[in-house]
Amino acid sequence: QLQLQESGPGLVKPSETLSLTCTVSGGSISSSSYYWGWIRQPPGKGLEWIGSIYHSGIAYYNPSLKSRVTISVDTSENQFSLNLRSVTAADTAVYYCARDLGYTGYFDPWGQGTLVTVSS
Amino acid sequence: QSVLTQPPSASGTPGQRVTISCSGSSSSIGSDTVNWYQQFPGAAPKLLIYSGRQRPSGVPDRFSGSQSGTSASLAISGLQSEDEADYYCATWDDNVLFGGGTKLTVL
Repeated sequence: QLQLQESGPGLVKPSETLSLTCTVSGGSISSSSYYWGWIRQPPGKGLEWIGSIYHSGIAYYNPSLKSRVTISVDTSENQFSLNLRSVTAADTAVYYCARDLGYTGYFDPWGQGTLVTVSS
Repeated sequence: QSVLTQPPSASGTPGQRVTISCSGSSSSIGSDTVNWYQQFPGAAPKLLIYSGRQRPSGVPDRFSGSQSGTSASLAISGLQSEDEADYYCATWDDNVLFGGGTKLTVL
């Protein structure tokens, strides 16, 4: 059974870079035609897609975040990562990783999510 | 910027049939299929319906999806107390779009 698990700091200072990693177990990132994505949810609010990456390294991003986001993949570790630069309090959210069918809005399964708070 | 519009809330009594709408545009729902997610408080979203009307394995057939033109709907028949959750629609329009979410209350 495919499982995803987010990891990374729960507290980031304003103007710094938020870095998270998603570890995939129960299957290989490289063995399928799926993308691997990041979605976030500010407290009490809705879902926002951040971006997704293919195991080849090809990525696509939400245009509203593209200038601050880099998603990378490490197939040897079966992980993919999110870097969000120049964070502000508005970036405080639960960050989820999920398997992405690609260019469809189909995400399944999801990780449990990790809360990242931006505060000094 | 294309958006998906959902009612913020919906409600029904046990056994009732409720529907949740998701309104988009010709370039979003009018051009691609819609996926639906169910989210309980403190939990990650779960895929409920994909490609407009398909149910993943394990999703009860009480849940059904449909779409026509620039709108989509999620229907829940035989409403149960455990269906109380937030529901989100999602699709593609040069960007992954999520609806704002609908909080379903079982009275």
